[in-house]
Amino acid sequence: AQSVSQHNHHVILSEAASLELGCNYSYGGTVNLFWYVQYPGQHLQLLLKYFSGDPLVKGIKGFEAEFIKSKFSFNLRKPSVQWSDTAEYFCAVNGALSSASKIIFGSGTRLSIRP
Amino acid sequence: NAGVTQTPKFQVLKTGQSMTLQCAQDMNHNSMYWYRQDPGMGLRLIYYSASEGTTDKGEVPNGYNVSRLNKREFSLRLESAAPSQTSVYFCASSEWTEAFFGQGTRLTVV
Repeated sequence: AQSVSQHNHHVILSEAASLELGCNYSYGGTVNLFWYVQYPGQHLQLLLKYFSGDPLVKGIKGFEAEFIKSKFSFNLRKPSVQWSDTAEYFCAVNGALSSASKIIFGSGTRLSIRP
Repeated sequence: NAGVTQTPKFQVLKTGQSMTLQCAQDMNHNSMYWYRQDPGMGLRLIYYSASEGTTDKGEVPNGYNVSRLNKREFSLRLESAAPSQTSVYFCASSEWTEAFFGQGTRLTVV
């Protein structure tokens, strides 16, 4: 079955701390991977995406993620978080070989940053 | 370029009432989605349309119907609203790459 697991439901950090949010997926075949961010009261926006090539992907606002194929993982990282990073973060996957492939989302990780 | 437009933004319904949530995209995408978002449950797929004229059930389709009217529009209908359908609803579209989301509809069923 196709699925995405985000094991951290709620993460609380102080400003300037480093961040790593876990994401594991189950999906047959070649995949595209995504991280989305949802700021309070807003819709989901794309943070970064992996299609192919370099498994270390850099996104907006200093975020990056590493695709480790052998571990079916796509963890999100940021070296130093800011209060403005307070949001909910969603990992997602779809199949890379079809334009009609459904995008499957994880349950999300709520990130709270203490000023 | 509006992207994905959803209407209405807010709605309160009484139990048993019906309503249709509208969604339109102007990016010429084939795939469109309806999700609901509930606290602690992430985004759950209600229905999916891979192209004009096709629709498929997602994870939580019960109590909903959809229509892919044309390539641009994908509507979600609640025939007889129930309090369990109180949620935030998001429409999205995609084509090969990432999904683009509408602003959401906050629906309350009393």
